[in-house]
Amino acid sequence: DAGITQSPRYKITETGRQVTLMCHQTWSHSYMFWYRQDLGHGLRLIYYSAAADITDKGEVPDGYVVSRSKTENFPLTLESATRSQTSVYFCASSSGKGTYGYTFGSGTRLTVV
Amino acid sequence: KNQVEQSPQSLIILEGKNCTLQCNYTVSPFSNLRWYKQDTGRGPVSLTIMTFSENTKSNGRYTATLDADTKQSSLHITASQLSDSASYICVVSASGDMRFGAGTRLTVKP
Repeated sequence: DAGITQSPRYKITETGRQVTLMCHQTWSHSYMFWYRQDLGHGLRLIYYSAAADITDKGEVPDGYVVSRSKTENFPLTLESATRSQTSVYFCASSSGKGTYGYTFGSGTRLTVV
Repeated sequence: KNQVEQSPQSLIILEGKNCTLQCNYTVSPFSNLRWYKQDTGRGPVSLTIMTFSENTKSNGRYTATLDADTKQSSLHITASQLSDSASYICVVSASGDMRFGAGTRLTVKP
């Protein structure tokens, strides 16, 4: 099925552990994005990618690492999880940055204990 | 301070009633403004997109307005249904950046 899928849907991890959130899209969109959503805040951009092997920081990149070896995949890694990284993470894809609409995944709810 | 402010934060209405959600922004230079609907446990889904020259755009029972001079937008929902219960997010695009409001949580009760 065409679309954008995130996995896992829910994750509980301990402080200091490394965790990777997966994102896969079948639209062949060149751009992919990672956002976090916290109560009282709008979605905040963590990292984005314009194409395979091209990534750039967003508004809140500290503590996160991304890679994009294939156009369809854009994993997000928390190298050493902290409680402040407890959040809902959304992956999105688009044909462009800002001008075109974004298609969002269903999100990953991450809890760091 | 967020460059996209939405009000109210939450709203409860009875099924069949109308409601209006507000969005004020300071983002510039303005490119376009979108309203997204986000159901609980799901990602946001686009409802409307408006460019600088557009004042009104409708999508079924949803009507968005834009006043680029005052930097205000509204989303009007007509004859609300239980399925309209969701968060509604205003997103303003400027210079390739998307700025998200915190959203308005709408609850429609029978």
